[in-house]
Amino acid sequence: DAKTTQPNSMESNEEEPVHLPCNHSTISGTDYIHWYRQLPSQGPEYVIHGLTSNVNNRMASLAIAEDRKSSTLILHRATLRDAAVYYCAGTSYGKLTFGQGTILTVHP
Amino acid sequence: DADVTQTPRNRITKTGKRIMLECSQTKGHDRMYWYRQDPGLGLRLIYYSFDVKDINKGEISDGYSVSRQAQAKFSLSLESAIPNQTALYFCATSDSGHPGETQYFGPGTRLLVL
Repeated sequence: DAKTTQPNSMESNEEEPVHLPCNHSTISGTDYIHWYRQLPSQGPEYVIHGLTSNVNNRMASLAIAEDRKSSTLILHRATLRDAAVYYCAGTSYGKLTFGQGTILTVHP
Repeated sequence: DADVTQTPRNRITKTGKRIMLECSQTKGHDRMYWYRQDPGLGLRLIYYSFDVKDINKGEISDGYSVSRQAQAKFSLSLESAIPNQTALYFCATSDSGHPGETQYFGPGTRLLVL
């Protein structure tokens, strides 16, 4: 299973971009990289996922290193509603292996 | 209405008691999962089921059992609850036909074992 590591916490100011890193050095060639976030008192919600290429959706962008051993979730303009715990996860045969999560604090 | 529901949302029980946490989904997904969340440890997989007749142990299955009663229902049981099973429990679903298999989580059940 892919093991992931993330910084415990990061801070940002509102309206500024945020880059959340994740290391997944044991990921295999067919494992997808997922990002989820968890708002207070809620279950995790899907943010984005990718395999090899960089990915964009309405919530965020995902930049995947060429060797796939790391990835970065990019929030282009942080808002107060983006304050949450962000989890990086690797998938293997349908199972997700989550990292410890990064607590993102957004300052007004 | 929520696509993935969990009952109860909160539960307090005593050591040695048997309890069941229930999960239902209306997404029509074939795969269901139970996770446990503890502070500082992220989410850890307890059991998962890829269809009604399939049950698999996850990373931390000791002390737990599951039942997949139907495609839409997946229950987690603690046969004899102990205090270190105090945690937040999440159910999730995914569609095996979707590349990358995004998982959809329920709101969680907060369990306190005294």
